[in-house]
Amino acid sequence: NAGVTQTPKFRVLKTGQSMTLLCAQDMNHEYMYWYRQDPGMGLRLIHYSVGEGTTAKGEVPDGYNVSRLKKQNFLLGLESAAPSQTSVYFCASSSYTGETDTQYFGPGTRLTVL
Amino acid sequence: AQKITQTQPGMFVQEKEAVTLDCTYDTSDQSYGLFWYKQPSSGEMIFLIYQGSYDEQNATEGRYSLNFQKARKSANLVISASQLGDSAMYFCAMREGLRGTYKYIFGTGTRLKVLA
Repeated sequence: NAGVTQTPKFRVLKTGQSMTLLCAQDMNHEYMYWYRQDPGMGLRLIHYSVGEGTTAKGEVPDGYNVSRLKKQNFLLGLESAAPSQTSVYFCASSSYTGETDTQYFGPGTRLTVL
Repeated sequence: AQKITQTQPGMFVQEKEAVTLDCTYDTSDQSYGLFWYKQPSSGEMIFLIYQGSYDEQNATEGRYSLNFQKARKSANLVISASQLGDSAMYFCAMREGLRGTYKYIFGTGTRLKVLA
């Protein structure tokens, strides 16, 4: 099992450019999440999904869109990148039926917007 | 109000000593879960230990134990026999809400440095 994988690992964008981050999990988890991590602020939830075809807003959704067309994939899109979106982005997944419903994280994507 | 509070931005511990990382939480839910994650300098988030709100015994996983004091709403992580490889950021997190509407909330972390 690869667990949770993220593509790409690093990316540099210019202001106004768009990009999509891909998250994939092979644990058959129902829930998937996108977080951003900024210095001194822990992890903040951007969007999440409780199942294929469903998405919901988290704490800091502005400037991002998501899609979950397949159960194993969760995409995070930036339509017009801004320097404030410079951050490390983590994807996570968790089961719906497990004993602990622990979140498992991908390795992260470091995004810099110039 | 902060849902998860980690009051120690940084901690030092001597190798082979035990260390306690503090975490307090705030929720009105009866059913919730508490987690600790380790983030080494390489950046990945590694799950360490879980405590359910109805668990009567403190969770343990190898050298990690969770000191759960429900009335005080605290969930401190205890690392015994610290190793140099334990140097990392540690995050406390809480899961609240019902299945289908879970929310996971993270603290701001504690940076632990183990000294040789």
